[in-house]
Amino acid sequence: DIQMTQSPSSVSASVGDRVTITCRASQGIRTWLAWYQQKPGKAPKLLIYAASSLQSGVPSRFSGSGSGTDFTLTINTLQPEDFATYYCQQANSFHPLTFGGGTKVEIK
Amino acid sequence: QVQLVESGGGVVQPGRSLRLSCAASGFTFSNYGMHWVRQAPGKGLEWVAFISYDGSNKYYTDSVKGRFTISRDNSKNTLYLQMNSLSVEDTALYYCAKDFAPYNTAWHYLDYWGQGTLVTVSS
Repeated sequence: DIQMTQSPSSVSASVGDRVTITCRASQGIRTWLAWYQQKPGKAPKLLIYAASSLQSGVPSRFSGSGSGTDFTLTINTLQPEDFATYYCQQANSFHPLTFGGGTKVEIK
Repeated sequence: QVQLVESGGGVVQPGRSLRLSCAASGFTFSNYGMHWVRQAPGKGLEWVAFISYDGSNKYYTDSVKGRFTISRDNSKNTLYLQMNSLSVEDTALYYCAKDFAPYNTAWHYLDYWGQGTLVTVSS
């Protein structure tokens, strides 16, 4: 199975900050990567697919980059509604789908 | 709008069975692959199973192979997860989720999720 390692596991930030979350795959997955946001008590929400494509309706302050094994989710100008847990997911159908362990973005 | 509504969760003893359902609306269900994803209390997301749009392809995570069966009824717009030989490690909130692209079996992004149904395995 492809292992997905996210870092950091948590980050404290203030409104207006830029936050960067990284995700590393244990083997190359080209750009088959998604990012999700999950708020407490809610289902995950797709933010980014194909490593850098913004899902419809997602604010442009969210962006994704990377290919192969190393990926990044960036949140520019953090808003109060962005405090949540973020997960990466590898999307290659030839392996079991796997998620990263999550990164909790907390208020500083 | 897309809606996914899970049901069938509950408290069950180890070794027993449970069948989850997911009623879909707001899209052409028969055109999309579907997934089950679970989340143990306070933990991260774990993909459980996938079924292709026509039911011809099914994939499972190793820990549920031989115990869980994913199925669908396209005439009823409903996805199922039959869970047998349940163990305490199966305790989780179970989400159904829709695949991003129609007829797709090559890559899987999950663009809509239900609110989940809680399965608690306890003696």
